Amino acid sequence: EAQVTQNPRYLITVTGKKLTVTCSQNMNHEYMSWYRQDPGLGLRQIYYSMNVEVTDKGDVPEGYKVSRKEKRNFPLILESPSPNQTSLYFCASSLRGYTDTQYFGPGTRLTVL
Amino acid sequence: AQTVTQSQPEMSVQEAETVTLSCTYDTSENNYYLFWYKQPPSRQMILVIRQEAYKQQNATENRFSVNFQKAAKSFSLKISDSQLGDTAMYFCAFGKGGAQKLVFGQGTRLTINP
Repeated sequence: EAQVTQNPRYLITVTGKKLTVTCSQNMNHEYMSWYRQDPGLGLRQIYYSMNVEVTDKGDVPEGYKVSRKEKRNFPLILESPSPNQTSLYFCASSLRGYTDTQYFGPGTRLTVL
Repeated sequence: AQTVTQSQPEMSVQEAETVTLSCTYDTSENNYYLFWYKQPPSRQMILVIRQEAYKQQNATENRFSVNFQKAAKSFSLKISDSQLGDTAMYFCAFGKGGAQKLVFGQGTRLTINP
């Protein structure tokens, strides 16, 4: 089954404790992206990647890191999480870019205390 | 910077009615794409419809259609014969032709009542 998976689905952590949210797709897509969703703000793009080793900032990259060492994986790293990073996070992938249909993961609910 | 505005935070209609969700955007670009995404209570984001700015014809997908007014920078979504399964958050999104960024609106929560 073609899908985007994210882990964990839910995470409660404390300020400053490094964490990684994994994202993996099995569709051989070149484009992958991370978004955060907050009430009243919609989805905001954090980082995106056009291919292996090619990443670029979205609109809200501060406090986040990403890497794309393999085509299928695009982990989101929070080196020192803060409470303002409490949010719902989505990973998405598409064949070549945002103009193609984006397939979203199920979301990761992160709470930073 | 591009912005996308959805002025209706919530809407509610009866099953089988037609409903229109509004979206306006601000850009100086001429080449861009517009999207409507649906997020049902399951949280899964699903593409509903896509419009390329250079195409004059409004996109349609079964019961879903758009009214794309380029000069007015308006991109509304019409849902005909609404069904209970249409209950969801709907997000309008803008993407610029050359860049690979997507900008989303705030969302409209649509409830279809039986």
